[in-house]
Amino acid sequence: AQSVTQLGSHVSVSEGALVLLRCNYSSSVPPYLFWYVQYPNQGLQLLLKYTSAATLVKGINGFEAEFKKSETSFHLTKPSAHMSDAAEYFCAVSGLSGATNKLIFGTGTLLAVQP
Amino acid sequence: IAGITQAPTSQILAAGRRMTLRCTQDMRHNAMYWYRQDLGLGLRLIHYSNTAGTTGKGEVPDGYSVSRANTDDFPLTLASAVPSQTSVYFCASGSGGGTGELFFGEGSRLTVL
Repeated sequence: AQSVTQLGSHVSVSEGALVLLRCNYSSSVPPYLFWYVQYPNQGLQLLLKYTSAATLVKGINGFEAEFKKSETSFHLTKPSAHMSDAAEYFCAVSGLSGATNKLIFGTGTLLAVQP
Repeated sequence: IAGITQAPTSQILAAGRRMTLRCTQDMRHNAMYWYRQDLGLGLRLIHYSNTAGTTGKGEVPDGYSVSRANTDDFPLTLASAVPSQTSVYFCASGSGGGTGELFFGEGSRLTVL
């Protein structure tokens, strides 16, 4: 069975500071990993995904994540936070079951960006 | 471009009533999903459908049913709503397979009193 754990339900950074959101996964098979972002009163949208190609994955809005098998981690980073990055971020692992793309989500990390 | 449309956006419902949340996609995706989002619990899969005519149970299926009569529509029904079903419900679709992106609707906020 697959699962993800997001460390820290709330993270606060200053504008211009490094953003680091942590995600660790558990998977009995090579995982496909995702980061989604949710802005207030909206659905989720994909930031980036790892599907066994390059271990460093670049996404939208300047975010990137590095797949580290030895640490079972897929942490999300951005060098310099913007006010517009304030949102909730979800890490997810693909629960592969035949052809079913069942995403298993973490509990989310709410990012606050202080001016 | 509509993507995924959910209705209603918000609903207050008395316990014991029947409720259907509607979801329609215009991307011709094979797979569709229903998740519920609760504070501190993230998103949990209720039911899914790999293709029209088939459905499957997710992590928290009890009290919910779905149907997939065609590619575009994937309604979620609460036969007899209970307060613990108060949540925000998201419909999503994808092309299927383990590597694909899911596209989400904007959610339906349901309050059961």
